[in-house]
Amino acid sequence: GQSLEQPSEVTAVEGAIVQINCTYQTSGFYGLSWYQQHDGGAPTFLSYNALDGLEETGRFSSFLSRSDSYGYLLLQELQMKDSASYFCAVLLTLSNDYKLSFGAGTTVTVRA
Amino acid sequence: EADIYQTPRYLVIGTGKKITLECSQTMGHDKMYWYQQDPGMELHLIHYSYGVNSTEKGDLSSESTVSRIRTEHFPLTLESARPSHTSQYLCASSGLAGEAGELFFGEGSRLTVL
Repeated sequence: GQSLEQPSEVTAVEGAIVQINCTYQTSGFYGLSWYQQHDGGAPTFLSYNALDGLEETGRFSSFLSRSDSYGYLLLQELQMKDSASYFCAVLLTLSNDYKLSFGAGTTVTVRA
Repeated sequence: EADIYQTPRYLVIGTGKKITLECSQTMGHDKMYWYQQDPGMELHLIHYSYGVNSTEKGDLSSESTVSRIRTEHFPLTLESARPSHTSQYLCASSGLAGEAGELFFGEGSRLTVL
């Protein structure tokens, strides 16, 4: 089977830094994605890591360690609009293609 | 901005009714997916398609069915809705970017079965 674990919720103040960890156990692992979802709306793609290391995109960065089956999303200079749910998702190889399986999500609440 | 559309956005129906949730994308993507999500919970893959006339069941067993007659269209049908089908259904698509873990999602269809 497969599993992804991430914290259920995180609260921080504006301007702070938040790290959301994601650990996974799965076969056919190809890469790790992160998505943001506001109020149950359309999830939007944030980042993707296929190789070990840090990927930086503006205020958000994502990290992957394949040997540790672990990744994280780093949110810097938190803003109120960053209050949302954040999902890690593993990209898995199939016999002829790929599919994405999601974790349970982390609710981030940003306070003034 | 993603060009993937779902209708209806909200639907309240009685038990036993047949419903079809529509999903269309204008990006020419070969790959399309249906995810089911309960409030505050994870997304579960229930169906996917890698092209016309290709459909596969996902990780979560679902009584719904799908079809893929045209590249841009991937409707989901429930022949006889039950209260246990109450949920949000999210449609997504990917092109080559899917190989980099990037899906484009629609706004979702929130279904309530009474």
